[in-house]
Amino acid sequence: DIQLTQSPSFLSASVGDRVTITCRASQGISSYLAWYQQEPGRAPKLLIYAASTLQSGVPSRFSGSGSGTDFTLTISSLQPDDIATYFCQQLKSFPYTFGQGTKLEIK
Amino acid sequence: EVQLVESGGGLVQPGGSLRLSCAGTGFIFTSYSINWVRQAPGKGLEWVSYISRSSNTIYYADSVKGRFTISRDNAKNSVYLQINSLRDGDTAVYFCATEDPTGDYGMDVWGQGTTVTVSS
Repeated sequence: DIQLTQSPSFLSASVGDRVTITCRASQGISSYLAWYQQEPGRAPKLLIYAASTLQSGVPSRFSGSGSGTDFTLTISSLQPDDIATYFCQQLKSFPYTFGQGTKLEIK
Repeated sequence: EVQLVESGGGLVQPGGSLRLSCAGTGFIFTSYSINWVRQAPGKGLEWVSYISRSSNTIYYADSVKGRFTISRDNAKNSVYLQINSLRDGDTAVYFCATEDPTGDYGMDVWGQGTTVTVSS
């Protein structure tokens, strides 16, 4: 199985900060990586697919990069609405796996 | 409106069974594969099962293999998850989510989830 390791697990930042979350795969997954945002009590929401493609309707302050084993999700200017937990997911092979999540808080 | 709606969750004793349903509206249901993903209380996301558009490809997580069965009825725009021999560790919110058959586009439409609680 492909393991995904996200870091950090918890992140506290101020409004306007640039925020970066990383996701490392235990083996190469090309660009078969997605990022999701999950607010408390809500379903996950797709932000980024194919490692770097922004899902329709997602604000442009979100971006993704990487391929192979190392990936990043960046929020260019943190907004209060961005308070959530963020997960990466690999869709290279079954079983699909998720990172353990990064909980983002506003300072 | 494009949406998925799950139902069928509830409180069940260990060893019991439930049948979860996932109904799709507002899109061409047969164009998408469907996944089930669960989330235990306070925990992360765990992929559970996958079914292709025509049901000819099915996968399960090792943790549910032999106990869970996924199926779909395209005439009813629905996917089902039969869950048997339930354990405490199966307590979770169960989400269904669409996936483009290529796997290139992530899981883009999610239901609101249905809660399964296993307790005596």
